[in-house]
Amino acid sequence: DTEVTQTPKHLVMGMTNKKSLKCEQHMGHRAMYWYKQKAKKPPELMFVYSYEKLSINESVPSRFSPECPNSSLLNLHLHALQPEDSALYLCASSQSGGSNQPQHFGDGTRLSIL
Amino acid sequence: EDQVTQSPEALRLQEGESSSLNCSYTVSGLRGLFWYRQDPGKGPEFLFTLYSAGEEKEKERLKATLTKKESFLHITAPKPEDSATYLCAVRYGGGNKLVFGAGTILRVKS
Repeated sequence: DTEVTQTPKHLVMGMTNKKSLKCEQHMGHRAMYWYKQKAKKPPELMFVYSYEKLSINESVPSRFSPECPNSSLLNLHLHALQPEDSALYLCASSQSGGSNQPQHFGDGTRLSIL
Repeated sequence: EDQVTQSPEALRLQEGESSSLNCSYTVSGLRGLFWYRQDPGKGPEFLFTLYSAGEEKEKERLKATLTKKESFLHITAPKPEDSATYLCAVRYGGGNKLVFGAGTILRVKS
């Protein structure tokens, strides 16, 4: 069982819908990450939060909006997505953004855009 | 350009047939090389971190080694449950990004 919990596990939405993905960790980690993973490809970094502040945005389209309400929670708000945004969205956390400690991943949300 | 390259892309082994997976990297200022295992429909599961050339880590049938240009994941006497995609990733320079290789798909048949 992973210590990073993501909900929902599956999400189907239309291109005009608004939805949110949620991620929670209770390991006391201070860095949290969103990744996008397409089939048979490695994870691609989208956003990094360090001490609840956005530190990296990998030029992600504005239809993806991250939020870090506190050190344990990370949200990804979705609006007006495109079919090519269908993918597995992974959340990860690590002790701190500057440390060399490993990132620990959740099992992801499988997102399908109709 | 590719900064992290994994080979082979896919590997089929018979149960008990030992082999190695390769991860080569061309970054400067390596701060850590990470091995993960990913099962279908799951997130990557952390296996090992290696920080400096000559370092080795072991866990059950897996052993990871690191040189200045590459890392190997040795699998000794694999079992079918070792079947998964194995990903390596590097952190380098002053940032906290992980750069992943494309992965090696391992299938172990009984």
